[in-house]
Amino acid sequence: GENVEQHPSTLSVQEGDSAVIKCTYSDSASNYFPWYKQELGKRPQLIIDIRSNVGEKKDQRIAVTLNKTAKHFSLHITETQPEDSAVYFCAASRSNDYKLSFGAGTTVTVRA
Amino acid sequence: GAGVSQSPRYKVAKRGQDVALRCDPISGHVSLFWYQQALGQGPEFLTYFQNEAQLDKSGLPSDRFFAERPEGSVSTLKIQRTQQEDSAVYLCASSLGTGLTDTQYFGPGTRLTVL
Repeated sequence: GENVEQHPSTLSVQEGDSAVIKCTYSDSASNYFPWYKQELGKRPQLIIDIRSNVGEKKDQRIAVTLNKTAKHFSLHITETQPEDSAVYFCAASRSNDYKLSFGAGTTVTVRA
Repeated sequence: GAGVSQSPRYKVAKRGQDVALRCDPISGHVSLFWYQQALGQGPEFLTYFQNEAQLDKSGLPSDRFFAERPEGSVSTLKIQRTQQEDSAVYLCASSLGTGLTDTQYFGPGTRLTVL
């Protein structure tokens, strides 16, 4: 099955700086890559996703890049704010599979 | 509109007890998923329903785990003879269609603690 690895496990940034989280996946058939944000004790919420026919996608301060050859994708948060503090999960799935395979998560702390 | 809801939010069970966890998906959502999230880890897939049909149960860890969605709406995850290793947050998610890349919307989860 699909194996998704996520790095780093923790990330501390100064408010206003950028944060980057990287994920690698093992199954070259994977073609859908969502990112979820989970605040403490709350539900995971989708913040952005990318499909394999696109190399980059941006939504305001959040961007995701995908390198299918290297089988890795990254989340970029610019101009970080305290409310960006949360656990971020990357995930991957294939078009002939229903399940999302998640990374282990990155705890992001934005220091004021 | 209302999102995915789950009940109870917290459940404490003694080892060996049976538990039932409920998921109310977003109205009209065809697809429903159950995931298990251990402390400090990402969610792990358990099972998938398309309407009332359970199309994939490959992630259920043992035959003590059973899920159903008899009318294609509310779903129940049942764990028989609970063990300590079953302690986790159980997340339910639903998506509108059957497209395998439809956005999955998650519920708040049920935190199960087995003593």
